[in-house]
Amino acid sequence: GENVEQHPSTLSVQEGDSAVIKCTYSDSASNYFPWYKQELGKRPQLIIDIRSNVGEKKDQRIAVTLNKTAKHFSLHITETQPEDSAVYFCAAYNEKLTFGTGTRLTIIP
Amino acid sequence: DGGITQSPKYLFRKEGQNVTLSCEQNLNHDAMYWYRQDPGQGLRLIYYSQIVNDFQKGDIAEGYSVSREKKESFPLTVTSAQKNPTAFYLCASSLTGERQPQHFGDGTRLSIL
Repeated sequence: GENVEQHPSTLSVQEGDSAVIKCTYSDSASNYFPWYKQELGKRPQLIIDIRSNVGEKKDQRIAVTLNKTAKHFSLHITETQPEDSAVYFCAAYNEKLTFGTGTRLTIIP
Repeated sequence: DGGITQSPKYLFRKEGQNVTLSCEQNLNHDAMYWYRQDPGQGLRLIYYSQIVNDFQKGDIAEGYSVSREKKESFPLTVTSAQKNPTAFYLCASSLTGERQPQHFGDGTRLSIL
């Protein structure tokens, strides 16, 4: 089955700086890669997703890149703000979603 | 997403007891899912259903059971066979078909008394 690895497990950045979270997947048939943000004690919320026929997608301060050859994808958050502090999960879809283990992002004011 | 309601928010189980977690959605989604979340881990799929009266085991189905009698509802029963049930349980739904985003409920936190 699919295996998704996510790094780093924790990340602290100064407010205003950029944050990058990386994921790798094992199944080359995976074709959809969403990213979820989960604040403490709350539901995961979809923040951006990318399909396998696209290399990059941006939505304001958030971008995701996908390298199908290397089987990795990354989340980029620019101009970070305190409200970006949360746990972020990547996932890969091939018949079902397989999630990474999460990255706890802390924005330092 | 206000369209997915999980209840209760907190649940306590005694040894040998079965408990049922409720999940209701009004998004008109055909597909529904149950995930388990443990500290420091990602979400792991327990069961999923693509259509009424049909469901499939996920990666960690042992000790759990589900039913899908209505499109809107997908209850999860944590049976006494699940020896380590303490976790945060999340229900999700989506449209069917490939590459459809899943939308989550607020979760139920289950603990052992």
